[in-house]
Amino acid sequence: DTEVTQTPKHLVMGMTNKKSLKCEQHMGHRAMYWYKQKAKKPPELMFVYSYEKLSINESVPSRFSPECPNSSLLNLHLHALQPEDSALYLCASSQLRLAGGHDNEQFFGPGTRLTVL
Amino acid sequence: AQTVTQSQPEMSVQEAETVTLSCTYDTSENNYYLFWYKQPPSRQMILVIRQEAYKQQNATENRFSVNFQKAAKSFSLKISDSQLGDTAMYFCAFMKQIFGNEKLTFGTGTRLTIIP
Repeated sequence: DTEVTQTPKHLVMGMTNKKSLKCEQHMGHRAMYWYKQKAKKPPELMFVYSYEKLSINESVPSRFSPECPNSSLLNLHLHALQPEDSALYLCASSQLRLAGGHDNEQFFGPGTRLTVL
Repeated sequence: AQTVTQSQPEMSVQEAETVTLSCTYDTSENNYYLFWYKQPPSRQMILVIRQEAYKQQNATENRFSVNFQKAAKSFSLKISDSQLGDTAMYFCAFMKQIFGNEKLTFGTGTRLTIIP
């Protein structure tokens, strides 16, 4: 299984709603990532989890709350979002290797298209 | 901080032709990785090819090859015998070779259209 899955594919929510995005991989990867991608822009890193611990938080607003329940799952909890948070949210995973590793490329999921009304 | 520059926002070529996408980067690191990712209209980011900076030999994957010039900090992607399925946004990306810091820095992308 060389796939990263994300649910839901599309999500429309109001500014007062609470929702969650889910990501799953069964490749034994120990690093998982959340990216935000606006239209016609490159992905922007939000969070990195290494061995289920948050290792990088790119100064993301607290209305985005990541969670890594186990090595295969990654969630992104959303609360009180703003319309400007509408974007494609991409999850990715990779191996964690010591320096010199050869298979540290990130595998991406298909994304969740989020619209905040 | 690392920066990645893709100077061609859009390109188009006829099917079966060869096309080269350019990418330059700026870093003070000596050891790092470079990637080309493809994002078709279906949105899924797919790895096209990777290059380790310590390797002098240019990476190739079937119709895809790179021209890696470390001194010039240049990393271009050549697509030979282009096919309609190559139509996509292409992102060049940089990663430091540091364990536990697998952060990808992306360029702004090149939108490639293959014309039938």
